[in-house]
Amino acid sequence: GAGVSQSPSNKVTEKGKDVELRCDPISGHTALYWYRQSLGQGLEFLIYFQGNSAPDKSGLPSDRFSAERTGGSVSTLTIQRTQQEDSAVYLCASSLEGGGGYQQYFGPGTRLTVT
Amino acid sequence: AQKITQTQPGMFVQEKEAVTLDCTYDTSDQSYGLFWYKQPSSGEMIFLIYQGSYDEQNATEGRYSLNFQKARKSANLVISASQLGDSAMYFCAMREGRASRDYKLSFGAGTTVTVRA
Repeated sequence: GAGVSQSPSNKVTEKGKDVELRCDPISGHTALYWYRQSLGQGLEFLIYFQGNSAPDKSGLPSDRFSAERTGGSVSTLTIQRTQQEDSAVYLCASSLEGGGGYQQYFGPGTRLTVT
Repeated sequence: AQKITQTQPGMFVQEKEAVTLDCTYDTSDQSYGLFWYKQPSSGEMIFLIYQGSYDEQNATEGRYSLNFQKARKSANLVISASQLGDSAMYFCAMREGRASRDYKLSFGAGTTVTVRA
C-alpha cells in the first residue's frame, strides 16, 4: 500500500510570504504528526492529531504556525509570514493509534527554504 | 535537559562487522517506549526497532538488536554484519507515558554511520 506522502517536496519562498505544506497519511491511520528537522534544532515535534480529539499544538514554535486535518485524513501545515529561521525539512508521520508501541511511519518530507 | 542523548556524531565501520550506536535517555515515567529510526541520504525516516519499558527481553529485528539496560537508562542499537546500504543517519527516539495522548517522539541528535567496503 501507499506510504505517507507529502507535497511539495521542495519549496522556496521569500521572507514574509505564507506557505502551505500538505500531508497524506496512510489510509486508516488515525494519528498524524508533524515534525521539523533543522540543522540547529534537530528533530522537533510540532503538532499531533488523533481522530476527532482536539489537536495537541504544544510544539508549534509561534502563532505563525497552524495546522488542520480535514475529514480525519489529509493535513495541511500553514506557516504565515515566513522567516529565514523557518527553513527546515518538515516531516509528517502517521500511525494506527497515538500511543503504545505503534510505530510512526514518516513521509519523505518537504524541504522549505526561506530566502 | 535533553531527553535523548546520542554521544557519537559519526562512526565508521567495516563491511560485515558489527557496530553499536549509543543512546541514553532521561524520563521519570515508568511507562515509555524507545525507537530507532534510520535516515538515509534520501531523507525518509525508516523505523528499525522498538523496545517498551516493560519488555523483559531485548528487541530484535533481523540484523538489528536493541541492548536495553533499564537501570542505566540506555538503549543501544547493535547492527550486525554491516552492509554498505546501512550507511545513514540513525536516530534514537522516546515516547513517554502510556495514554493515547502520550504520542510525540523526542529525538536524539543522531549518529552518522559510514560503512566501508
